[in-house]
Amino acid sequence: NAGVTQTPKFRVLKTGQSMTLLCAQDMNHEYMYWYRQDPGMGLRLIHYSVGEGTTAKGEVPDGYNVSRLKKQNFLLGLESAAPSQTSVYFCASSRGSRSPLHFGNGTRLTVT
Amino acid sequence: DQQVKQNSPSLSVQEGRISILNCDYTNSMFDYFLWYKKYPAEGPTFLISISSIKDKNEDGRFTVFLNKSAKHLSLHIVPSQPGDSAVYFCAAMDSSYKLIFGSGTRLLVRP
Repeated sequence: NAGVTQTPKFRVLKTGQSMTLLCAQDMNHEYMYWYRQDPGMGLRLIHYSVGEGTTAKGEVPDGYNVSRLKKQNFLLGLESAAPSQTSVYFCASSRGSRSPLHFGNGTRLTVT
Repeated sequence: DQQVKQNSPSLSVQEGRISILNCDYTNSMFDYFLWYKKYPAEGPTFLISISSIKDKNEDGRFTVFLNKSAKHLSLHIVPSQPGDSAVYFCAAMDSSYKLIFGSGTRLLVRP
């Protein structure tokens, strides 16, 4: 049972490049989330999904897009990367609205 | 404006003593609260939660207290162990299903 798997683990991008981060969960969870963690700022919610085919904005959605075409996958896209998007990105999933989130081990992204 | 605040960036306690981590929130619509623990290079792991209809929840060495009138929650770890050294995040959720995190408190338990 892998839980929440994030790929890739590390990535370096140049300003203006695009990329997609993949999150996969094998727990049949309905809800999925993308967070970013920056020093001194904790985890900030980027986008989330309450079911297949749905997405919603979190606290810091600008510069990111997401898609949830399949229940087990939640993709986070950066169309034109900026240095301000250098961060550690965490994906999480949960069974329902009042259930704990299960996190992946993160993707460290550096934009130069 | 931060809706969930952890005002102590760090805390150091002796092994065997009590660790008390504090968290304040501003949104009165939050009705579900959680504590997470995070080790370096890993994702956060769930510790304990509490619903707004309760004021206390225990799980082994961990107890969470909720004071709704003060918009304050705390996590007590008794007794503290060196393996508890980590960053602890509190988080809160309202009916929109968004889970909002505080900035974290780094706990060091000295042997």
